[in-house]
Amino acid sequence: GAVVSQHPSWVICKSGTSVKIECRSLDFQATTMFWYRQFPKQSLMLMATSNEGSKATYEQGVEKDKFLINHASLTLSTLTVTSAHPEDSSFYICSAEGEKAYEQYFGPGTRLTVT
Amino acid sequence: AQSVTQPDIHITVSEGASLELRCNYSYGATPYLFWYVQSPGQGLQLLLKYFSGDTLVQGIKGFEAEFKRSQSSFNLRKPSVHWSDAAEYFCAVVPNSGGYQKVTFGTGTKLQVIP
Repeated sequence: GAVVSQHPSWVICKSGTSVKIECRSLDFQATTMFWYRQFPKQSLMLMATSNEGSKATYEQGVEKDKFLINHASLTLSTLTVTSAHPEDSSFYICSAEGEKAYEQYFGPGTRLTVT
Repeated sequence: AQSVTQPDIHITVSEGASLELRCNYSYGATPYLFWYVQSPGQGLQLLLKYFSGDTLVQGIKGFEAEFKRSQSSFNLRKPSVHWSDAAEYFCAVVPNSGGYQKVTFGTGTKLQVIP
């Protein structure tokens, strides 16, 4: 149980285009989902906290207009990277919080490459 | 400043040997403590967590961790490493200071297992 999927697993896009990444909790409902960014050989950096039916809470330094987050249902959150640039290339990971506080279940990640 | 540190970026052990991965934190009050493992192409998986109580915590896959308040540490151990344990390991903390707090991850330790 407690499986989280991400789609796509990898994507290549051209600079200036937008990319949408989906995060789904497959066998449980998640009121809260999180989006992280992971740079090579570095840790996970929390980008935003997404609560179903409300606006996401972004961490300091994360551009809200660039990284659009929508949490329309208890099983789906999406991250849209708008007007992507090469510096947005990274590994994006989502997680969903289970019934117990602070117990997060992670998706496999999405590798974004912007050319 | 509050922080979580994993001093070892990369560790190599022989299969069958014991393993200890270090994690130190700097928080006013004892935070909630976690260990996650990330295998290539996969999301993070929770190995174990410590909230309170017994300072020796048993986790999945034969891992255990010991909370030592005097050393502000939460080191992960395994008595006999298997080749399948090769992965990246992240220590994570949540401040235990009331209200909902975000999870902060250490920089990770990459484990290599040699035959």
